[in-house]
Amino acid sequence: GAGVSQSPRYKVTKRGQDVALRCDPISGHVSLYWYRQALGQGPEFLTYFNYEAQQDKSGLPNDRFSAERPEGSISTLTIQRTEQRDSAMYRCASSAMRTAGAQGETQYFGPGTRLLVL
Amino acid sequence: AQTVTQSQPEMSVQEAETVTLSCTYDTSESDYYLFWYKQPPSRQMILVIRQEAYKQQNATENRFSVNFQKAAKSFSLKISDSQLGDAAMYFCAYRSASNNNDMRFGAGTRLTVKP
Repeated sequence: GAGVSQSPRYKVTKRGQDVALRCDPISGHVSLYWYRQALGQGPEFLTYFNYEAQQDKSGLPNDRFSAERPEGSISTLTIQRTEQRDSAMYRCASSAMRTAGAQGETQYFGPGTRLLVL
Repeated sequence: AQTVTQSQPEMSVQEAETVTLSCTYDTSESDYYLFWYKQPPSRQMILVIRQEAYKQQNATENRFSVNFQKAAKSFSLKISDSQLGDAAMYFCAYRSASNNNDMRFGAGTRLTVKP
């Protein structure tokens, strides 16, 4: 596709349930990022991948959060035993590996998944 | 740690006028990138303009330009001839050149354009 896509766009779940959020990056982009964005705030880094390798997960709030990108393309962010404080917009972004020129250095964001934990 | 500060939670401009959004950052690195993103009500994050720290020339994209002051660690965005479609949240962002994951965003500035 032409841009980053995420699904579902909206997810309502009950506290204690597990949720899986999907990100489909721009074709050919090797870096993929997950962010969490509270209303009225800037995105907060969670984790990122180069190809299938998770490079940094220091931003994940706790061990209930995990992410994978098994084939170096689509990624899934999983939240286990959801809590109300997990409610937020979860955004995915992708970028090309560093190349000569400006375009490879830009992160393109998807529309996000709005998660509501009741 | 790098931090990005946007001191203006809200700004307002008259259509066709010029507005400047402020951004300051803190870093000990010499090589990095700076960005301004626009987030309309649809909540897409659209890249407006980018600046490489090693370039002295200020970046310009049509009606959007930046005033990059490296010594002062300041990176303001100027929007000329403001249009109604410019109304959105604007986020300033910093990214390390050596660490691909180190992207930090400011809290954002909500821009209102009055007809």
